[in-house]
Amino acid sequence: GEDVEQSLFLSVREGDSSVINCTYTDSSSTYLYWYKQEPGAGLQLLTYIFSNMDMKQDQRLTVLLNKKDKHLSLRIADTQTGDSAIYFCAETAGGSYIPTFGRGTSLIVHP
Amino acid sequence: GAGVSQTPSNKVTEKGKYVELRCDPISGHTALYWYRQSLGQGPEFLIYFQGTGAADDSGLPNDRFFAVRPEGSVSTLKIQRTERGDSAVYLCASSTLAGGTGELFFGEGSRLTVL
Repeated sequence: GEDVEQSLFLSVREGDSSVINCTYTDSSSTYLYWYKQEPGAGLQLLTYIFSNMDMKQDQRLTVLLNKKDKHLSLRIADTQTGDSAIYFCAETAGGSYIPTFGRGTSLIVHP
Repeated sequence: GAGVSQTPSNKVTEKGKYVELRCDPISGHTALYWYRQSLGQGPEFLIYFQGTGAADDSGLPNDRFFAVRPEGSVSTLKIQRTERGDSAVYLCASSTLAGGTGELFFGEGSRLTVL
């Protein structure tokens, strides 16, 4: 079955880079996503990567995908206090329209 | 409105009661999803609609849970004989499924507390 795993907490200093990691088990994953959830708000798509890509960069965000190890990471450069939130990794397996989510990583940015 | 709207935002009920949670998706989105999020967990899939029909209801935990989307727009999640373990935030999301990145647009959720 599908399973997506993430570490639960990450604490960084403002201005440093943050790296949030995720592993998944389904080798037929087509899209992998990073969603952000701020307190009291719904999940919002940050970025995604298609399974035939290794890397995607979008302003301060860099997504790296290692298909061999089924490992996905999200790097946030120059982390700001406004980046404090819960970050969810998600995947859709081949042919499915239903994303499976990890438990989320709570990112805490301190001055 | 521009986004996915869920009502009520908070619902407190007693064990054994019946509850309905409503979702208004983004206009024109054909796909609608219900997820459940317990404290400290990620969203757990419940049911997915494509138009009016439930394309996949494999995540519904038991027959106390039911969802409808009669006109292909608004959806209602219905929970009978609520139990304390049903307490969670129920998330609704919608998507176009067109052009395939599969982005889901989430509402803010309905927090259900069963006493």
